[in-house]
Amino acid sequence: QQPVQSPQAVILREGEDAVINCSSSKALYSVHWYRQKHGEAPVFLMILLKGGEQKGHEKISASFNEKKQQSSLYLTASQLSYSGTYFCGTERDTDKLIFGTGTRLQVFP
Amino acid sequence: DTEVTQTPKHLVMGMTNKKSLKCEQHMGHRAMYWYKQKAKKPPELMFVYSYEKLSINESVPSRFSPECPNSSLLNLHLHALQPEDSALYLCASSQVDGREQYFGPGTRLTVT
Repeated sequence: QQPVQSPQAVILREGEDAVINCSSSKALYSVHWYRQKHGEAPVFLMILLKGGEQKGHEKISASFNEKKQQSSLYLTASQLSYSGTYFCGTERDTDKLIFGTGTRLQVFP
Repeated sequence: DTEVTQTPKHLVMGMTNKKSLKCEQHMGHRAMYWYKQKAKKPPELMFVYSYEKLSINESVPSRFSPECPNSSLLNLHLHALQPEDSALYLCASSQVDGREQYFGPGTRLTVT
């Protein structure tokens, strides 16, 4: 039931790009993306509500393929501040957010 | 004000103690959540309150008892916990209908 994210971990140099995938075995109502830095609370990045929807947030964007029950998070020209663990969160019922397995991203100078 | 506050930040309790965690938000959100997070794991949903009524209980043991006294406050009462209950407990709030959730900084709980 828990969405599976890939890869589990990514190491980048500043300025490099990354893609994080989130896959669910069940039909999805919406997909959320959050970033959690070590020792801090998760911070909301974006939500995708419709199949095929793509949204952007600075140099971070995401897509949602409802048919494939998948979402991808795209980070372009990564910055040191992008380091952290990224979680997708999927909803099949309203207000019941199930977090994915997580992807740990480290950006080095 | 987009802040969710939680107290205490840290809590150490014995297995026979009774304690409470508190969460507060003043964003007018009508949905509030409790999550449990173990190290290097995603947050796990425990409870959801919608319009001050418990709407989701994810089969959480009865030693955890949630309470929503009003639309701004959420408590989690703890009693007879086990060492495996040691974790970071996160509170979050959102508008109803599955919108973005705002998380508090969490309470790091250690059960001895």
